[in-house]
Amino acid sequence: GQSLEQPSEVTAVEGAIVQINCTYQTSGFYGLSWYQQHDGGAPTFLSYNALDGLEETGRFSSFLSRSDSYGYLLLQELQMKDSASYFCAVRDRDYKLSFGAGTTVTVRA
Amino acid sequence: GAVVSQHPSRVICKSGTSVKIECRSLDFQATTMFWYRQFPKQSLMLMATSNEGSKATYEQGVEKDKFLINHASLTLSTLTVTSAHPEDSSFYICSARGGATPAYEQYFGPGTRLTVT
Repeated sequence: GQSLEQPSEVTAVEGAIVQINCTYQTSGFYGLSWYQQHDGGAPTFLSYNALDGLEETGRFSSFLSRSDSYGYLLLQELQMKDSASYFCAVRDRDYKLSFGAGTTVTVRA
Repeated sequence: GAVVSQHPSRVICKSGTSVKIECRSLDFQATTMFWYRQFPKQSLMLMATSNEGSKATYEQGVEKDKFLINHASLTLSTLTVTSAHPEDSSFYICSARGGATPAYEQYFGPGTRLTVT
């Protein structure tokens, strides 16, 4: 089975940097994905790491350390529209995703 | 590209009736579709995986006779909630992968909010 842990809430001001950590325990690891979901909306793909290291996509970056079963999502230059829930998810061999409980990010002016 | 639609977006039904939710990949062929449910302020829980032309694979604890999944074509999967009860009220979301999309990426539909009265 899969088990993921991430913080439940993070609050920060506009322009700040936020890091959302995700630790996982898994029977078979093929990659770590990050999704953003606004209230009532569909999850949207942000980033994916299959190998150790940092992936940068605009203001968002994601990091993975397979030896530590750990990853993080870095949100830079926070904007009000970044207020949302962020989920880490591990992928198995069959491309099924197991999601963490989600981190609610609140951006204050 | 890689757009997934769901219909209906909201549905209210009476206890004991059945409801069908459609999931379509609009601009790619989805070899695999996934169905999730999400309770308020909670995570997405995978219910089942469906591959075109074959029977769906259900996750442990999901009643296959209650949640009927059909993946009749490469662009359409349906989820039918049979004999719905209030505890089935939830946000149901589908996702799809396949075609030229990156293998690791799933594209999610906008979700269907089901309320059973």
